[in-house]
Amino acid sequence: SQQGEEDPQALSIQEGENATMNCSYKTSINNLQWYRQNSGRGLVHLILIRSNEREKHSGRLRVTLDTSKKSSSLLITASRAADTASYFCATHETGANNLFFGTGTRLTVIP
Amino acid sequence: DAGVTQSPTHLIKTRGQHVTLRCSPISGHKSVSWYQQVLGQGPQFIFQYYEKEERGRGNFPDRFSARQFPNYSSELNVNALLLGDSALYLCASSLLGVGGISVNEQFFGPGTRLTVL
Repeated sequence: SQQGEEDPQALSIQEGENATMNCSYKTSINNLQWYRQNSGRGLVHLILIRSNEREKHSGRLRVTLDTSKKSSSLLITASRAADTASYFCATHETGANNLFFGTGTRLTVIP
Repeated sequence: DAGVTQSPTHLIKTRGQHVTLRCSPISGHKSVSWYQQVLGQGPQFIFQYYEKEERGRGNFPDRFSARQFPNYSSELNVNALLLGDSALYLCASSLLGVGGISVNEQFFGPGTRLTVL
């Protein structure tokens, strides 16, 4: 079974707008990671936030983590058509050796 | 440097057959994990191997097995294929943290698309 759930399932925005995706999970974690997947191929790691961190930035990406609410958000600013992809959150649970992926958000950026 | 490589890219099998998928990790990575991704869903963990030992197993039947070789490459085997085994099979390699726990980002290969008819 999957650990997390992303919200929304699908998001369509105009180029230049910001995109926000949310992820909720169920158990104690060591870290939470966001991945991007283009056209059903391999996943690309975007950013990792540890359980003792609350916010992290990487280029146009901003991730927040609220462990009390067991939730995270990914913000992509000034979106581009090339950002069109599926985005997944993945949690590394305490004591586990693997990642648990969410259900994904399908982002479409319209040029 | 080469990334994670997987072979074959695509595979078509019929029910009851078996399949072997292969993965080569990034040079220097000793941990390999396998995931199954059914269309429209997120990847689900199947196995993790480190130093040729199984370190984790997901909720998959015994028809699924894997192994890791001395060069850290890995094979995933699936026996008695079912229609429901049709999926994208992803291999990921990573560096391990303290205690052999994979805590860092995982580097994914392009996947093998398996279709079972």
